[in-house]
Amino acid sequence: GEDVEQSLFLSVREGDSSVINCTYTDSSSTYLYWYKQEPGAGLQLLTYIFSNMDMKQDQRLTVLLNKKDKHLSLRIADTQTGDSAIYFCAYRMDSSYKLIFGSGTRLLVRP
Amino acid sequence: EAGVVQSPRYKIIEKKQPVAFWCNPISGHNTLYWYRQNLGQGPELLIRYENEEAVDDSQLPKDRFSAERLKGVDSTLKIQPAELGDSAVYLCASSGRDRGIEYEQYFGPGTRLTVT
Repeated sequence: GEDVEQSLFLSVREGDSSVINCTYTDSSSTYLYWYKQEPGAGLQLLTYIFSNMDMKQDQRLTVLLNKKDKHLSLRIADTQTGDSAIYFCAYRMDSSYKLIFGSGTRLLVRP
Repeated sequence: EAGVVQSPRYKIIEKKQPVAFWCNPISGHNTLYWYRQNLGQGPELLIRYENEEAVDDSQLPKDRFSAERLKGVDSTLKIQPAELGDSAVYLCASSGRDRGIEYEQYFGPGTRLTVT
């Protein structure tokens, strides 16, 4: 079935690292994504990873993929107050290009 | 490069009234999506267009929802009549394709619909 699970909330102190976790059910997906949504705004594509990769680094962002456990994580180094937002994990169904989203993790960065 | 444009940004209507949302995708993007995002949830696909053809509308409630993408560019999503449960954010996204490979979906800011 189509399902993506994320924890609802994460609170970190400014300057610390944040790790947002996600598990998914569709093992055939080629692409997995992280989107960011700020209040009242649409979804901003942060990064994506191919299913044949274990890790992808992009500046302060590190994505780790454990395909065996169907587990995806997003690490944000040196978290800033501007990183406070909701983060959505998603995978793309290869058959239809439809994105399946989790319910989002709300990240709160405390000064 | 301009992003995906949506209007209006906010709409408040009474139940049983009609409402329409408009989307202009990123220039050159052949694929257009409409998603609905309920409060506290991730977006869910309503319909996907390849140019002017709706290739996946399996999750569009066809008794009250309709969509069109004339000339394969702009798109309109309509609800008639609206129900209380239709209150949500309606997101439009678009993606490009090159040599059969479809690329990432880029989202507009959404239209927040409140049905009273």
